[in-house]
Amino acid sequence: DGGITQSPKYLFRKEGQNVTLSCEQNLNHDAMYWYRQDPGQGLRLIYYSQIVNDFQKGDIAEGYSVSREKKESFPLTVTSAQKNPTAFYLCASSMGMNTEAFFGQGTRLTVV
Amino acid sequence: EDQVTQSPEALRLQEGESSSLNCSYTVSGLRGLFWYRQDPGKGPEFLFTLYSAGEEKEKERLKATLTKKESFLHITAPKPEDSATYLCAVQLLISSGSARQLTFGSGTQLTVLP
Repeated sequence: DGGITQSPKYLFRKEGQNVTLSCEQNLNHDAMYWYRQDPGQGLRLIYYSQIVNDFQKGDIAEGYSVSREKKESFPLTVTSAQKNPTAFYLCASSMGMNTEAFFGQGTRLTVV
Repeated sequence: EDQVTQSPEALRLQEGESSSLNCSYTVSGLRGLFWYRQDPGKGPEFLFTLYSAGEEKEKERLKATLTKKESFLHITAPKPEDSATYLCAVQLLISSGSARQLTFGSGTQLTVLP
């Protein structure tokens, strides 16, 4: 089945630690995205990538980093510089920037 | 600043009671408007894309329409399994002719009671 796989589903992190969220897609999509969702708020864009080895900051990139070494993979690192990292993180992909995006099932990150 | 506003924030319907959800936007240069359904703890599921005023799309009990300043998601004779949060998002055209990334509204939480 084609789709987007995020792992893990739940993640707990101690304050001061970096953590990496995985996102893999087998849809042969060029564009990939990371969003953050907080209760009662819309999705906010963290980073996006249109092609391999290239990515751009979204609206809330501070405290996050990404890489795009393979077309299928777009991992997100939440660094200790992110002041309020507890949230639901969603990865998405699309054929191009002009087409609809499809989402993974999300990773819920909790800082303890 | 680009704004996408969804109303109401929450809506409770009896099974079979039709209604509409609203998504209004204060942007210029709209390239497309997208509707998604999101179940609790899951990622959004794509429903529709609308590109121009007057366009309509349907899927089962859902029909999406678009005007120059807003979109409606009409739900006809809803069932309990239609309960979810419905998100809309807009995509803008920028001066180079390419599209910006999506801007999402906060969603409408729909509950359909049996």
